[in-house]
Amino acid sequence: RKEVEQDPGPFNVPEGATVAFNCTYSNSASQSFFWYRQDCRKEPKLLMSVYSSGNEDGRFTAQLNRASQYISLLIRDSKLSDSATYLCVVNTNFGNEKLTFGTGTRLTIIP
Amino acid sequence: GAVVSQHPSWVICKSGTSVKIECRSLDFQATTMFWYRQFPKQSLMLMATSNEGSKATYEQGVEKDKFLINHASLTLSTLTVTSAHPEDSSFYICSALSTSGYEQYFGPGTRLTVT
Repeated sequence: RKEVEQDPGPFNVPEGATVAFNCTYSNSASQSFFWYRQDCRKEPKLLMSVYSSGNEDGRFTAQLNRASQYISLLIRDSKLSDSATYLCVVNTNFGNEKLTFGTGTRLTIIP
Repeated sequence: GAVVSQHPSWVICKSGTSVKIECRSLDFQATTMFWYRQFPKQSLMLMATSNEGSKATYEQGVEKDKFLINHASLTLSTLTVTSAHPEDSSFYICSALSTSGYEQYFGPGTRLTVT
């Protein structure tokens, strides 16, 4: 089983729609969770950290369910500029900050 | 925010030659930097953890004699791909751990093509 699993997509969503991504992780001792965004042929950029209480940043909402080892990202009112690959990232080795990346979910917003 | 640069942004080299890639933290000091590799349509895979003033820690399956890492200062880590082969062609990305020790800031990546 992969340490971090994501639905690779692609997700093709009309502009203005709401889209949700899911991610599961295998190591129950994982400490930190993130969503990164990666544009084609570019480096990943931190979108948001994910906290147990859930957190929201504008149109983006992230949720963490430790019992189910499940992370989600919700994008509301999607924009054309949201088209990218979204990476679920987990810190599986607390203390040395090593990150494990999921393979990413490709999102395309259609005008 | 924190800025990390990489140089070169892309490089084409012949098989058998060596290539050095630099990773710099421009506005903060980073005792720990990471080197990743990403093949097309795949996720980032951690190659090694680079610690200032000490030897790098390599992930399983990564040849330390082939991928030489030097973290000589708090703002610079270098990755040298020795005796490069076409299968080493990839997107190499570094990151620097923030001073808080929580976030990683990524460089823009170096695209290596070995012919």
